[in-house]
Amino acid sequence: AQRVTQPEKLLSVFKGAPVELKCNYSYSGSPELFWYVQYSRQRLQLLLRHISRESIKGFTADLNKGETSFHLKKPFAQEEDSAMYYCALRLYGGSQGNLIFGKGTKLSVKP
Amino acid sequence: NAGVTQTPKFRVLKTGQSMTLLCAQDMNHEYMYWYRQDPGMGLRLIHYSVGEGTTAKGEVPDGYNVSRLKKQNFLLGLESAAPSQTSVYFCASSYSTQGGFERNQPQHFGDGTRLSIL
Repeated sequence: AQRVTQPEKLLSVFKGAPVELKCNYSYSGSPELFWYVQYSRQRLQLLLRHISRESIKGFTADLNKGETSFHLKKPFAQEEDSAMYYCALRLYGGSQGNLIFGKGTKLSVKP
Repeated sequence: NAGVTQTPKFRVLKTGQSMTLLCAQDMNHEYMYWYRQDPGMGLRLIHYSVGEGTTAKGEVPDGYNVSRLKKQNFLLGLESAAPSQTSVYFCASSYSTQGGFERNQPQHFGDGTRLSIL
C-alpha cells in the first residue's frame, strides 16, 4: 500500500544549526514527491518537488529511490523556518494524481 | 488572480445541523480536492473531482457529499454534522492536460475553513 512516513512529529533546533526533516515513502510505481510547508494559520504552500532539483529558501531535497526517501535539508536554520512541513507522494492511474500526505513534522527554530 | 478561495473561514455548528463549504478557483484547473486536517493525522483526502460534473471518494468520504456543477466551484456538504467532523478543511486544485494528468504540477491550496461542531 502507498504510504508516506514522517517519523518526527516535532523537530527543535537552534538558529544556525543544520536541519533535516525525514520522509520515507512506499510506492510500487514511479514516485513523484513534494514538500509542502504551512506557516502558522496559513495555507499549505508548495516548497519543493523532486523533479525540479532546486533550492527554495535554502532547502533542498533529494529523491533516493534505493532508500525510498525524500529528506528535506537546510544547512543553517532560520527562525522564520518554523512551520509545519508535510511530505507528499503523488499517485497515478486510477487515483488521478491524488496526493498522500505524511502526518507532518513541526519544525521549531529557537533563537 | 485569487487562486483558491474558501468560504466561510470559520464556522461553529451544532450536532445534526447541515452546511456547505464552498471552494472556488480561478486558474481553470480541472482537478479539485477536499481534505481535512487533524492534529497528528496530517491531511486526508475526503473527495475529489477530475472535472465538471464528476466526483469521486477519497480516503475518508463518510459523512460528506460533494458537487462540481461548475468547473470553478467544488462544494463540500455535511448533511448532519457530528463532533468527529470538527476539523480544518482545505480545498485544493491542480492543472491537468486534456485527457490526462500533468505530471509534476503541484496542488494549490486555499486558506482553509475551521469548522467546530458542538
